[in-house]
Amino acid sequence: GAGVSQSPSNKVTEKGKDVELRCDPISGHTALYWYRQSLGQGLEFLIYFQGNSAPDKSGLPSDRFSAERTGGSVSTLTIQRTQQEDSAVYLCASSLAPGGPETQYFGPGTRLLVL
Amino acid sequence: AQSVTQLGSHVSVSEGALVLLRCNYSSSVPPYLFWYVQYPNQGLQLLLKYTTGATLVKGINGFEAEFKKSETSFHLTKPSAHMSDAAEYFCAVSDHNTDKLIFGTGTRLQVFP
Repeated sequence: GAGVSQSPSNKVTEKGKDVELRCDPISGHTALYWYRQSLGQGLEFLIYFQGNSAPDKSGLPSDRFSAERTGGSVSTLTIQRTQQEDSAVYLCASSLAPGGPETQYFGPGTRLLVL
Repeated sequence: AQSVTQLGSHVSVSEGALVLLRCNYSSSVPPYLFWYVQYPNQGLQLLLKYTTGATLVKGINGFEAEFKKSETSFHLTKPSAHMSDAAEYFCAVSDHNTDKLIFGTGTRLQVFP
């Protein structure tokens, strides 16, 4: 079946602009995660959604970052007033209900470059 | 707090040689442990995971890892490296409630002919 998809695959933006990154999880997966992969920080957790529960936002680096998940499926990560340090690959993953632990399936990522 | 340490950011082996990638963890509860592989310009793919039970875990592509509680380790091995194994490998531990992953800094494996 289809895996996790992310769009765009690449995004170049100017400092100060807002960007939106999209994630389509695997159908039927109730858990959705965003991670960031950067040279300086490695792979770090950003935010987690599970069903209709309040998201775990503990990994968001600043209030410029936000995310939503509509209808328990598609998720959008928004970065406002982008800074050069936001340049990274943003990875989305989904899994069945957590606590198993269930395997997380990762999308190919969105490579963001802030000029 | 949970954490993962991967010793060696780069490992180079000859084709056919043993692959050993090291991972040590810190966790206050019995850990769930994972190894993921990332090929160039691709997302992460699960190689194997340890939850409970047998401490020697076999994964895809001939890889295996052994959970050693006394050493707080979960090293990844493969008896004979193949050129196609060249990639970056990440060890991770997960939160029991949310499954969110805490990753090590990764080890880049190079395989020489």
